[in-house]
Amino acid sequence: GAVVSQHPSRVICKSGTSVKIECRSLDFQATTMFWYRQFPKQSLMLMATSNEGSKATYEQGVEKDKFLINHASLTLSTLTVTSAHPEDSSFYICSAPGQGVPRAFFGQGTRLTVV
Amino acid sequence: AQTVTQSQPEMSVQEAETVTLSCTYDTSENNYYLFWYKQPPSRQMILVIRQEAYKQQNATENRFSVNFQKAAKSFSLKISDSQLGDTAMYFCAFMNANSGGGADGLTFGKGTHLIIQP
Repeated sequence: GAVVSQHPSRVICKSGTSVKIECRSLDFQATTMFWYRQFPKQSLMLMATSNEGSKATYEQGVEKDKFLINHASLTLSTLTVTSAHPEDSSFYICSAPGQGVPRAFFGQGTRLTVV
Repeated sequence: AQTVTQSQPEMSVQEAETVTLSCTYDTSENNYYLFWYKQPPSRQMILVIRQEAYKQQNATENRFSVNFQKAAKSFSLKISDSQLGDTAMYFCAFMNANSGGGADGLTFGKGTHLIIQP
C-alpha cells in the first residue's frame, strides 16, 4: 500500500529557532498534501493544504508566516515552524490522498517540543 | 463547512464484548466520504473503515462495521469480539468528494478513547 514517511519523529528546539518537518510520499506522487496539528488528548485539526507548484492554502486562524509550507516536488512537502515558541509545541501529522482512492495516507507524525 | 461530533470521550468494555462508538456530522454536501480512524499509543493513524455517502449498504471490514444513516447524519462504528489490541483513540472523519475523487482534507471529531479490559 501507499506509504507516507514523515521526519523527524521527534524534535526539541529552543524558543526562537526554526524547525523543518518533511513529509514524503514513498511510492506514489502527491500533488496535494495536508498538514494537521494535534494537541495532547485532542483531535487533529487541519492547518493547511500543500499544493505542488503553487502556494499552500491555510485554514482560518493559521499564521502562514509562522508555518511555512513548501511543496518542492511531487513527493515532498515541508512544514517549517519559524521562530518557534513553547505554545507551538504539538504533534504535527501530514497526509497525502490516495490516487483515485478516497482515503488519506498518514505520516508517522512529529512531536515538536519548544523549550 | 462541516462538523463532526463524537459524544463519547471514553468507553470501556470487556474483551470479546461488542462495542458501538457514535458519530454524528453536519454538512450541506450530498457527496462525501466518512471514515473511522484508529490512533494507538504510537499515534500512527490507521484506517479502520470507509463509507461512501452514495452507498446505502453499510461498510464492513471483518470485526468492524458501520451503521450509516444518511438522513440522520449518523455514522456509528460497531466493533465485534473486541480484542486488547483494539484499545486506542478512535476518530470519526468527514471528507468532501470533489471532482478529483476526494482530495480534500479531513474534518475529524474529537475522538473516543476506547479501552478493552482483559
